[in-house]
Amino acid sequence: SQKIEQNSEALNIQEGKTATLTCNYTNYSPAYLQWYRQDPGRGPVFLLLIRENEKEKRKERLKVTFDTTLKQSLFHITASQPADSATYLCALYGGSQGNLIFGKGTKLSVKP
Amino acid sequence: NAGVTQTPKFQVLKTGQSMTLQCAQDMNHEYMSWYRQDPGMGLRLIHYSVGAGITDQGEVPNGYNVSRSTTEDFPLRLLSAAPSQTSVYFCASSTEFRTSAEQFFGPGTRLTVL
Repeated sequence: SQKIEQNSEALNIQEGKTATLTCNYTNYSPAYLQWYRQDPGRGPVFLLLIRENEKEKRKERLKVTFDTTLKQSLFHITASQPADSATYLCALYGGSQGNLIFGKGTKLSVKP
Repeated sequence: NAGVTQTPKFQVLKTGQSMTLQCAQDMNHEYMSWYRQDPGMGLRLIHYSVGAGITDQGEVPNGYNVSRSTTEDFPLRLLSAAPSQTSVYFCASSTEFRTSAEQFFGPGTRLTVL
């Protein structure tokens, strides 16, 4: 069956460290993978897109990798700050309607 | 730009009642969609529209109706609310469907059905 999994429901790290979040997928062949941030009581906000022919994408302190062999994307936040605390969602196109499918998210808490 | 707006923000219904969740966007996006978000389930697509006058079912459409008479508006109707429809509902829009286009989400409507 098709699955998109974010391995950790929650991740707690110390301020200044690098946070690494994992997104694995099964029985999809996505051309793109997206990452979103969701704060409590708010809708998701788009962060980054990575294409299948891109190994790595960076935006400020964010870095995303995409390994189509391992069927995995890693999302890194370097020099993490308490303001980075949120739930992070990965998403790919692969639903029954060709729509965007979301992982359940990883809740990141950055402690000062 | 206001982006994607949703009303109401909170709603409590009794079983069997009907209501409409409103969604509007001012970005001239052709593609709009409705998701529900439940604990431990992630976001699931209910219905979507690729343009005015065109709608289609997503993965969990039962109990919901939609229409798209204008590019800007995409209301979601619950005809006879059930407790299983207690959830947080998000409307989203984007420039295209089935592409790399990012989704713009509204702030959500938290619905409780008693």
